[in-house]
Amino acid sequence: GAGVSQSPSNKVTEKGKDVELRCDPISGHTALYWYRQSLGQGLEFLIYFQGNSAPDKSGLPSDRFSAERTGGSVSTLTIQRTQQEDSAVYLCASSFRGGINEKLFFGSGTQLSVL
Amino acid sequence: GENVEQHPSTLSVQEGDSAVIKCTYSDSASNYFPWYKQELGKRPQLIIDIRSNVGEKKDQRIAVTLNKTAKHFSLHITETQPEDSAVYFCAASNSGGGADGLTFGKGTHLIIQP
Repeated sequence: GAGVSQSPSNKVTEKGKDVELRCDPISGHTALYWYRQSLGQGLEFLIYFQGNSAPDKSGLPSDRFSAERTGGSVSTLTIQRTQQEDSAVYLCASSFRGGINEKLFFGSGTQLSVL
Repeated sequence: GENVEQHPSTLSVQEGDSAVIKCTYSDSASNYFPWYKQELGKRPQLIIDIRSNVGEKKDQRIAVTLNKTAKHFSLHITETQPEDSAVYFCAASNSGGGADGLTFGKGTHLIIQP
């Protein structure tokens, strides 16, 4: 596709339910990143993929959060047993090879609301 | 780990005036400093970046300066226009590669007053 695509754009869920967020990076980009943006906060790094492997999972806030990437393309971020504090915009980004100085291309994000 | 502080959190300037946003970082090994602009309801986009081997970089009305000794860098926007209204994020990268080493500031909401 022309850019990074995320779905759904909005997700409302009840506390305790599981949610799955999807990111489709730019074709050919090997590096993929997930960030969380809470109201009034910056971009909080969650996880980074290089191909299908995730060399850095240090940003995942708890074991309720997991992510996978298959085929070196689409990635899913799963949040189990959602809590109200999980409400935020989840942004995905990709870059060509993940090298330093590379431009990040962001998706439009998924607005997650946990009631 | 790296810590990036950004201020002010909100900046309001008159159209046509200049705006300056400042960031400091903690890791002296950081060597790449991008700035991202996020307009309301839209995705962040890279607007300018600077590497540690230069002190200043300009692109039309936008410039970024870097002081490695003091570990701070700034974004300067001259002749501000309404379309400059957005949230601006600075970031610092301290790894040998990959944005897994990219730490963002909390953002500055720039408001251009007509």
